[in-house]
Amino acid sequence: QQQVKQSPQSLIVQKGGISIINCAYENTAFDYFPWYQQFPGKGPALLIAIRPDVSEKKEGRFTISFNKSAKQFSLHIMDSQPGDSATYFCAASIIQGAQKLVFGQGTRLTINP
Amino acid sequence: DVKVTQSSRYLVKRTGEKVFLECVQDMDHENMFWYRQDPGLGLRLIYFSYDVKMKEKGDIPEGYSVSREKKERFSLILESASTNQTSMYLCASSSLTVINEKLFFGSGTQLSVL
Repeated sequence: QQQVKQSPQSLIVQKGGISIINCAYENTAFDYFPWYQQFPGKGPALLIAIRPDVSEKKEGRFTISFNKSAKQFSLHIMDSQPGDSATYFCAASIIQGAQKLVFGQGTRLTINP
Repeated sequence: DVKVTQSSRYLVKRTGEKVFLECVQDMDHENMFWYRQDPGLGLRLIYFSYDVKMKEKGDIPEGYSVSREKKERFSLILESASTNQTSMYLCASSSLTVINEKLFFGSGTQLSVL
C-alpha cells in the first residue's frame, strides 16, 4: 500500500522554467510533510518541509504548496537551474514518534541548459 | 561536519549468503533507520531503532534483521540473501529530542545478489 503517491516519475524542464512535482497522501493523521533532494551517489538530504497549519512555505526558489482538504502537496522550483537536477522525494509522517517517514516514489528532475 | 557512514559503497554477494550492512553515525542520535531504495518505489522503511538494543519493524522487514549494540552503530542483516534483495540500502539517523528533526542519510550501499 503506497500511502504517499508522487508524480511525475520523471520531469524535464528548461533552465529558468518552473518545475512542479506533486504528491498525494491517504493518512489524515500525517502532520509533517518534508521534501528530500538526492544527487547521484549521495543520500537524500532535507530540502524543505511544511506543517499542515499553513498552506504555503517558501525558501528561496523552493516553495511547498499544501492543500489539506485535497490531501495533496507540491514542490515548486522557480527559475530552475541545471544544479537542481536531482531526484526529489516527498514524504509524510506523524510528528509523535520517531520520525517514521513514508516516502513517495521519487521524481527524477532534469534541467536542460 | 555531521556524518552517517555506511561501510561499503558496493557489495556483491551470492544467493544464500549471510550479509551484514554496517552503519555508524557521529551525531549522538537516538533514532536510526534502514531504508531500501528501488526505482519507481521510492524509499521503503525496513527497520528502525530509537535506542540501544531497541528495534521496530518498518514496512518491509521480511528477510531482514537488525542489531544495535551501541548507540552509534546500526547493522542490517540479511540472513540468507536472495536476488530480490538486490537494491540500494540507505541508513539514516535523527534526534529523538528535536521535533521534526531531519533525517541524515548515508551515501548508500548498492547490494547485488547473484
